[in-house]
Amino acid sequence: DIVMTQSPDSLAVSLGERATINCKSSQSVLYSSNNKNYLTWYQQKPGQPPKLLIYWASTRESGVPDRFSGSGSGTDFTLTISSLQAEDVAVYYCQQYYYTPFTFGPGTKVDIK
Amino acid sequence: EVQLVESGGVVVQPGGSLRLSCAASGFTFDDYTMHWVRQAPGKGLEWVSLISWDGDSTDYTDSVKGRFTISRDNSKNSLFLQMNSLRTEDTALYYCASSRWGYFEYWGQGTLVTVSS
Repeated sequence: DIVMTQSPDSLAVSLGERATINCKSSQSVLYSSNNKNYLTWYQQKPGQPPKLLIYWASTRESGVPDRFSGSGSGTDFTLTISSLQAEDVAVYYCQQYYYTPFTFGPGTKVDIK
Repeated sequence: EVQLVESGGVVVQPGGSLRLSCAASGFTFDDYTMHWVRQAPGKGLEWVSLISWDGDSTDYTDSVKGRFTISRDNSKNSLFLQMNSLRTEDTALYYCASSRWGYFEYWGQGTLVTVSS
């Protein structure tokens, strides 16, 4: 199984400041035949299901504000919130869909400082 | 509007059985692979199972293999999860989710399964 890790476990950022979340996979999720990283990011607010933010490591889902961006390749990935807003308080999960069992990172909780 | 509505979650004793359902609307159901993903109280997300668009292919996480069975009825835009030999560690909020490329585009609100004596 591919093990996903995230850092930090939690972070508190001032409104308008940058938040950066890291995700690492135990093996590469880059598929060489199409040069795509099978890595996605979700946002989960309390009492709600997860919401898709980013797929193919860096493609923003329709309707997701452009302050959210994803980067990285192979085994190391980053989700960046360029200017934190109050509504961004949530837990963020990365997930690999390179092969089953699809696996998630443990989550990173983002709060306002 | 896309909707996935799960149902069937209840309190059940260890060793018991349960069938979860997920009713889909607002999208072309049989274009999508469907999944069950669970979340234990206060914990992270765990993928449980998938079924291909036509039902011909299924897959499970190891901890549920031989106990859970996923199925779908495309004529009724419905997804199911038959859960047998339930264990306390199966206690979770069970979400159904849809995908075309492996990432989960749409999620339901979840149905709570509690396994307890």
